[in-house]
Amino acid sequence: GAGVSQSPRYKVTKRGQDVALRCDPISGHVSLYWYRQALGQGPEFLTYFNYEAQQDKSGLPNDRFSAERPEGSISTLTIQRTEQRDSAMYRCASSLSPGLAGARAKNIQYFGAGTRLSVL
Amino acid sequence: AQTVTQSQPEMSVQEAETVTLSCTYDTSESNYYLFWYKQPPSRQMILVIRQEAYKQQNATENRFSVNFQKAAKSFSLKISDSQLGDTAMYFCASQRNNDMRFGAGTRLTVKP
Repeated sequence: GAGVSQSPRYKVTKRGQDVALRCDPISGHVSLYWYRQALGQGPEFLTYFNYEAQQDKSGLPNDRFSAERPEGSISTLTIQRTEQRDSAMYRCASSLSPGLAGARAKNIQYFGAGTRLSVL
Repeated sequence: AQTVTQSQPEMSVQEAETVTLSCTYDTSESNYYLFWYKQPPSRQMILVIRQEAYKQQNATENRFSVNFQKAAKSFSLKISDSQLGDTAMYFCASQRNNDMRFGAGTRLTVKP
């Protein structure tokens, strides 16, 4: 697609429910990133993938959070047993290539519009 | 670990004037990239400008330029001839490999 697409744009759920947030990266982009952004704060890294392999999940807050990218394209971020503190904007980004070596402009991250999650 | 600090939570500037947003960062890496992203009220994240740490020359993109001081680990953004459409949150970010860290942001308001 022309840009990074995230769905849904807004998600309201009740505490204790599971939610799945979808990210469709720019076609051909190798790397995909998930961030969480609280109101008035900068994005906070959660995890990222190169192709289908999850390279770093150190930013995931706890084991209720998981992500997958089974075919190296679309990714899903799943939050189980949601809590009110999970309410935030969840952003996805993609880049053409991983890493910095020889990257030039290929490591620029392009962001989606985000999914605003509200847990009641 | 990388950390990015933006010490100005809010700033304002008159239309057509120049404003500078501050950013400092801390990294132990020698090879990294620095970015400024703009987040308008629509909450999109838009890349404004990018600097490669191994380049001494400051990056420029039309009305946007940076003052990159590597030894001081400072990366400020200068916006010349400010326009109403520049009103937004501005985030400074540091990237090493695939690890990108953002500052808390500066809310810029351009006044008519």
